Parts: sequence; structure tokens; C-alpha cells
Amino acid sequence: SQQGEEDPQALSIQEGENATMNCSYKTSINNLQWYRQNSGRGLVHLILIRSNEREKHSGRLRVTLDTSKKSSSLLITASRAADTASYFCATGRSSNTGKLIFGQGTTLQVKP
Amino acid sequence: EAEVAQSPRYKITEKSQAVAFWCDPISGHATLYWYRQILGQGPELLVQFQDESVVDDSQLPKDRFSAERLKGVDSTLKIQPAELGDSAMYLCASSLESQVRSDTQYFGPGTRLTVL
Repeated sequence: SQQGEEDPQALSIQEGENATMNCSYKTSINNLQWYRQNSGRGLVHLILIRSNEREKHSGRLRVTLDTSKKSSSLLITASRAADTASYFCATGRSSNTGKLIFGQGTTLQVKP
Repeated sequence: EAEVAQSPRYKITEKSQAVAFWCDPISGHATLYWYRQILGQGPELLVQFQDESVVDDSQLPKDRFSAERLKGVDSTLKIQPAELGDSAMYLCASSLESQVRSDTQYFGPGTRLTVL
């Protein structure tokens, strides 16, 4: 079962524009992570935000977390063609296994 | 930079045959995960190991899938017999921390399985 729902499912923008992806989840979490996956490859960890944090930055990435709304957003600023990939949110629950549950993903296309 | 290794990268098999996938996690990572990712969807956890012990295999179809991590290092995932619906990407990941909290996971390149 997948907890996260991501919106939009697909996004197409021009190079230099900002891209925003949203993730909603259902149960309480202890952290939320974002991963990137290039076509046919493994996932790469981008950023982790803990449940007691509201915003986090890493380079051109900005992640927000609203635990009251059970939602998160990933903003990629000044996008590049190399940012073309699928982006997944994954939630870590307050459990004893450290298990991550992934969403369905947002496919981002950045046109040069 | 240390990486998670997986082999083979691609596997084509006929239904009812047996297939096996291998994963070597990053050195020192105690936790190892096997995921299945169907095209267009996010990864779903099949099995999680802490050292050599299984801590979560609730989504593993145990009638046909098996996984082992005998010495707590590398791991093998087996499917026998393979079915058409098993066609997917099989991803291995590892993490440094114990099972107590969700930590950053490092993924291998995956094995793309096609069952004919």
C-alpha cells in the first residue's frame, strides 16, 4: 500500500522556471523524504525533513512540511534540463521498523 | 563514493522459471531493503533486513518469493516460479541506522525483470 499521493502526476516547464510538487499523506510521520529517479535508474535521496521542522533548504531545493495538513511540497528553483526525472516523496512513520512508504511520484520534464 | 551494487541489471525469463537477484549494500550499512517498482508507480517494500534478520516481510508473496542475507552483508532475492505479473524493477537499498528510525536510504541501480 502507498501512503503518499503526489500532485501533479506530470509537470512540464521551461528551463529556468520553478517547479513545485506536492505530497499528501494519511498517517502520522516522524520524517518525510524526497527522492529523484532518472528513467530506468535507482532512486537518489534529495532531502529529509523531520516532523518538528517546517522548512528546509538544500541548494536549489526547498521543502516545506505542514503536519496539520499532512502535506509537503518540493520546490526546485531555476530548473535545468538535467532536473528532468521522477520525484517521489516517502514517509517514515513512528514505528519500530524504520520503514519508508513511497508515493506514486511526479514526472517532471524541463525543456531546454 | 560507496554505492549499492545490484546484478544483473536486466533479466528476461519465461514464466514458471526461477530467477535470482543479488545486492551488495554499502559497507557498514546494517539495514537492507528490497523493493518492487511497477512502471509508473513508486517503490513498494518487499522485505527489510536488519543485519541477517528479517524485520518486515509483510508484503513479500511468500509462496513464490524468498530473500536471504545469511552473513548480514549481501543479499539474494529469488522468485520461483516467475509469473507475468512479476515484471517490474527490483530495487535494493541500504541504510546506516538501525531499524529504530527511518533514515536516508541509498539505492542501487535496480534489476529490470521481464517475464514472457
